[in-house]
Amino acid sequence: GAGVSQSPSNKVTEKGKDVELRCDPISGHTALYWYRQRLGQGLEFLIYFQGNSAPDKSGLPSDRFSAERTGESVSTLTIQRTQQEDSAVYLCASSLDGTRDTQYFGPGTRLTVL
Amino acid sequence: AQSVTQLGSHVSVSEGALVLLRCNYSSSVPPYLFWYVQYPNQGLQLLLKYTSAATLVKGINGFEAEFKKSETSFHLTKPSAHMSDAAEYFCAVTEYGQNFVFGPGTRLSVLP
Repeated sequence: GAGVSQSPSNKVTEKGKDVELRCDPISGHTALYWYRQRLGQGLEFLIYFQGNSAPDKSGLPSDRFSAERTGESVSTLTIQRTQQEDSAVYLCASSLDGTRDTQYFGPGTRLTVL
Repeated sequence: AQSVTQLGSHVSVSEGALVLLRCNYSSSVPPYLFWYVQYPNQGLQLLLKYTSAATLVKGINGFEAEFKKSETSFHLTKPSAHMSDAAEYFCAVTEYGQNFVFGPGTRLSVLP
C-alpha cells in the first residue's frame, strides 16, 4: 500500500509569507507526527496527533506555527509570517496507534525562506 | 522524561570493518527503542526496534542492536561495513503514551 506522502516536496517562499505543508498518512494510522530537520541536524519534534486531537504541542517553536488534522487523515502544518530560520526539511510520520508503534516517515518538504 | 544521547556525531570505518554506533537513553519506565537510518537524499526508514521481547534485536541489512538495561544502552552494530551503509543513523526512545524522542544522529562514513 501507499506510504506517507507529503506535498509540496519543495517550497521556496519570501520572508513574511505564510506557507501550508500537507501530510497524507498511511491509511488506518491513528497517530501522526510532525518534525523539523535543519541542515545537518537531528529531528526536532513539533507536534503529535492522536486522531484529530493534539495531546502534545510542546514542540511548536512559536505561535507562528500551527497544525490541524481532519479525522484520522490529512494533516496541515501552517507557518505564518515565515522567517529565514524556518528554512528546513519538515518531516511527517504516522504510526498505527501512536503509543510505541513504529513511525513511518514521508519524504519531507524542503522549505526555503528567502 | 525520556532522552537519548548518541556518542560521536561522525564515525568513520573501513569497508569490511566492524560498525559500532552508540546510543544511551534515559527513561523512567521500560522503554521501546528504535534505530532509524537516513540514506543521502532519502527519507528515514526503520532499521530495527526493541519492544521488551528479546534483548538482541536483528534488523535489516545485517544490523543488530542489544538492549542492556544495566547500562541504559542500545548500541547498533554490524560485523562488516559495506559502502552502501554510509548514512545518518538515529536512535529513538518512547514510553507508553509519550512522544518519540530522537537522538542527534551519527553520520557513518565507510572508507574504501
